[in-house]
Amino acid sequence: DIQMTQSPSSLSASVGDRVTITCRASQSISSYLNWYQQKSGKAPNLLIYATSSLQSGVPSRFSGSGSGTDFTLTISSLQPEDFATYYCQQSYTTPRSFGQGTKLEIK
Amino acid sequence: QVQLQQWGAGLLKPSETLSLTCAVYVDSFRGYYWSWIRQPPGKGLEWLGEINHSGSTNYNPSLKSRVTISVDTSKNQFSLKLSSVTAADTAVYYCARQTYYDFLTSYYYYMDVWGEGTTVTVSS
Repeated sequence: DIQMTQSPSSLSASVGDRVTITCRASQSISSYLNWYQQKSGKAPNLLIYATSSLQSGVPSRFSGSGSGTDFTLTISSLQPEDFATYYCQQSYTTPRSFGQGTKLEIK
Repeated sequence: QVQLQQWGAGLLKPSETLSLTCAVYVDSFRGYYWSWIRQPPGKGLEWLGEINHSGSTNYNPSLKSRVTISVDTSKNQFSLKLSSVTAADTAVYYCARQTYYDFLTSYYYYMDVWGEGTTVTVSS
């Protein structure tokens, strides 16, 4: 099975900051990497698929990059509604697997 | 707009079988994989398995033989059964649509529509 590891596990930042979250796969997954945002008590919401494709309706301040084993999610200028938990997920093979999550909190 | 509506028993005793159903309100049930994911309290997401319209399934080996996902295409529904539950199966269970992006003959799957989640508690 492919293990996904995110860093950091938690992050404090301010509105307007540029934030980067990292996801590492235990083996190469090419570009088969997705990012989700989850707010408290809600279902996850797809942000980015195939490493860098922005899901329809997602603000352009979100972007993704990487390939192979190392990937990043960047939020260019944090907005109040961005404080949430973020998960990466590989779709290279089954079983699908998620990172442990990165909780983004207000500083 | 695609919607997923899920339901099932929310309180189980140890050794019972968890049973959840997800109804898909969409113009087409075909062409996707339909997934189940769970999230224990305060923890991350765990993928349980998936099924397509023809009944082809993939499961998470961590659940061994306890999990079964089935589909009823006449009703645009798919279901999850998890047998012999324990307290460790207490979680919010989500159904989700898994679609794909086709690029240069590669299929990039992702979960773009989710149900609202069902809280399942296992307690004696």
